[in-house]
Amino acid sequence: DAGITQSPRYKITETGRQVTLMCHQTWSHSYMFWYRQDLGHGLRLIYYSAAADITDKGEVPDGYVVSRSKTENFPLTLESATRSQTSVYFCASSEGGTYYEQYFGPGTRLTVT
Amino acid sequence: AQSVTQLDSHVSVSEGTPVLLRCNYSSSYSPSLFWYVQHPNKGLQLLLKYTSAATLVKGINGFEAEFKKSETSFHLTKPPAHMSDAAEYFCVVSGSGTGNQFYFGTGTSLTVIP
Repeated sequence: DAGITQSPRYKITETGRQVTLMCHQTWSHSYMFWYRQDLGHGLRLIYYSAAADITDKGEVPDGYVVSRSKTENFPLTLESATRSQTSVYFCASSEGGTYYEQYFGPGTRLTVT
Repeated sequence: AQSVTQLDSHVSVSEGTPVLLRCNYSSSYSPSLFWYVQHPNKGLQLLLKYTSAATLVKGINGFEAEFKKSETSFHLTKPPAHMSDAAEYFCVVSGSGTGNQFYFGTGTSLTVIP
């Protein structure tokens, strides 16, 4: 029972580089989410997806791109990384939308130098 | 608009004494409310959820929370704290009109003193 996995777990990159964070879930959940966690802010939603090929912006989408060609995968790309994007990124999935609990991956710690 | 306020950023209790973590919410609609726990360097784990059924919700590991609409609160309690309860706790609101979004509080760090 793999659940939800994220890779890499740790990443250091330089300003201006493109970086992709991967998220994979084995439950066939229709919804998937990307959050960032920063001190003093809790978790903030970046993007979410209700199904394959359906994505929508969250609270803090600027500088990020997502895609979802398969139900089980939901990669997050930083097209040109900035220091302000140094954070811990969590992927989550759920069976449905608003009233359903979300299940979280272990997180990716990203440092942009 | 939906929002959550966790009233304490840090709480310290002695092992064996009760835990109270406070959460107030704001919602224009009938909300769903959740408590999640995050142990150091780990992902988030669901403790319990409220979705308009019983107002007293029981979760895992002895945690409970009571939904009080008149006070717009959803405080988390546990009768005796254990050392293993030391972690970060997040209160979350979701519901109609949130665009399928979860809104997280800023977290409460629980320290358990032996």
